[in-house]
Amino acid sequence: DAGVIQSPRHEVTEMGQEVTLRCKPISGHDYLFWYRQTMMRGLELLIYFNNNVPIDDSGMPEDRFSAKMPNASFSTLKIQPSEPRDSAVYFCASSRSTTSRGTQYFGPGTRLTVL
Amino acid sequence: EDQVTQSPEALRLQEGESSSLNCSYTVSGLRGLFWYRQDPGKGPEFLFTLYSAGEEKEKERLKATLTKKESFLHITAPKPEDSATYLCAVQASGNTPLVFGKGTRLSVIA
Repeated sequence: DAGVIQSPRHEVTEMGQEVTLRCKPISGHDYLFWYRQTMMRGLELLIYFNNNVPIDDSGMPEDRFSAKMPNASFSTLKIQPSEPRDSAVYFCASSRSTTSRGTQYFGPGTRLTVL
Repeated sequence: EDQVTQSPEALRLQEGESSSLNCSYTVSGLRGLFWYRQDPGKGPEFLFTLYSAGEEKEKERLKATLTKKESFLHITAPKPEDSATYLCAVQASGNTPLVFGKGTRLSVIA
C-alpha cells in the first residue's frame, strides 16, 4: 500500500496568491481529515469527510479556506487569498470506519510558506 | 471542551535511561486515547489505542497505560532511534474528531 499521498511537499508563495493542496487517501478508507500543524497551536483539525461528504468544517479558520472531495481517491484544500499567517505544515489523514476513527494514517504533509 | 495536556514539552535522556511521558485529559466520555509518534519532516504514525482505565499496551520499548484522568507512555532503556515527538490524542464518545496535545519532544543521546 502506498499510504496517504500529498502534493506538493513544499510550497512557497506570495501573499494574495491562491494555494491548492492535494491528497490521495489510502484505498478503502472512507474518512479523510485535513489538519494544520504549527509550533504555537500544535495539530489542529480543519475539516473531515465521510464517504466524500464534509461532516465537520468548524476548524476551517476563515472563508479563505475551502476543501473538496470529488471522489473517494482525491481531496483538495484551497486557500484563496493566502496570507503569511497561513504558513504551516498541512497534513491529510485517512481512516476506515470499520476500525476506530482514531487510528488515522497520515500523509507526509505539505510545508506551506506564504511570503 | 475536550482538552489534552502533555508534559514535559521536551525530554532529553541518555541511552538506556528509562522515563515516562504524561498525557492529561478532560473529555466528556472517553471513547479512546491514542498515542502517535512523529519524526521530523513526517506525518504522525499511529502507536496505540487505549479504551478504558487500567488498560495497557506494549510495543518494543514502549508501554502505554491509562487512568481516568491521564495516560503515561513509559520508555524502557531507550535508544537513539526512539528520538521523536510523541503525540497524545483523545476521542470523546459519539462521532467527535480527535483532539491532539502539543506533544513531547524526546531526544535520546548515545
